[in-house]
Amino acid sequence: AQSVAQPEDQVNVAEGNPLTVKCTYSVSGNPYLFWYVQYPNRGLQFLLKYITGDNLVKGSYGFEAEFNKSQTSFHLKKPSALVSDSALYFCAVRDGPNSGYALNFGKGTSLLVTP
Amino acid sequence: DAGVTQSPTHLIKTRGQQVTLRCSPKSGHDTVSWYQQALGQGPQFIFQYYEEEERQRGNFPDRFSGHQFPNYSSELNVNALLLGDSALYLCASSLVDRKHNEQFFGPGTRLTVL
Repeated sequence: AQSVAQPEDQVNVAEGNPLTVKCTYSVSGNPYLFWYVQYPNRGLQFLLKYITGDNLVKGSYGFEAEFNKSQTSFHLKKPSALVSDSALYFCAVRDGPNSGYALNFGKGTSLLVTP
Repeated sequence: DAGVTQSPTHLIKTRGQQVTLRCSPKSGHDTVSWYQQALGQGPQFIFQYYEEEERQRGNFPDRFSGHQFPNYSSELNVNALLLGDSALYLCASSLVDRKHNEQFFGPGTRLTVL
């Protein structure tokens, strides 16, 4: 079975400070990992993904994520947070090429960036 | 280039009724997935359609059914609505069946069951 855990319900950070949103995963094979962001009353927007290769993945809006196989983590990061980054962030996983087609999402982490 | 579109935006139904939600995939995409997002939760996979057939199904009862049309658009039908079916229903599209491809999501349909 494949699953994702987002241990923090909410992350608070001041504008201009670095931010980290945590995600850990559990799969039987090699994971395909994704980050999405959801603004109020909107659908999910794709930020970035890890499939294979370089452990540091760069994505949209200045976000990046680091894949750590030994810690089974895929934390989302941004060097300098903006107030407009305030939203709900979801980590999702697929169990590699031999998995099914469903994306398995975490419960989400609410990011609040204060001016 | 139009993204994923869904209709209607909002819907209010009563228990026992039936509902149909509609989705048009992003241009060039041929695969449509449906997800249910309850309040305060992450999206839960309902099913995926490819080549007009249900390719994979999540842990949802038979009251949830779907269809994909030759133009790749899709419908989600829910029969005998329960209060617990109240949620945001998200449609996502992707290209072919490459599992490393990201899915692109529509804005969702907010279903309220009274």
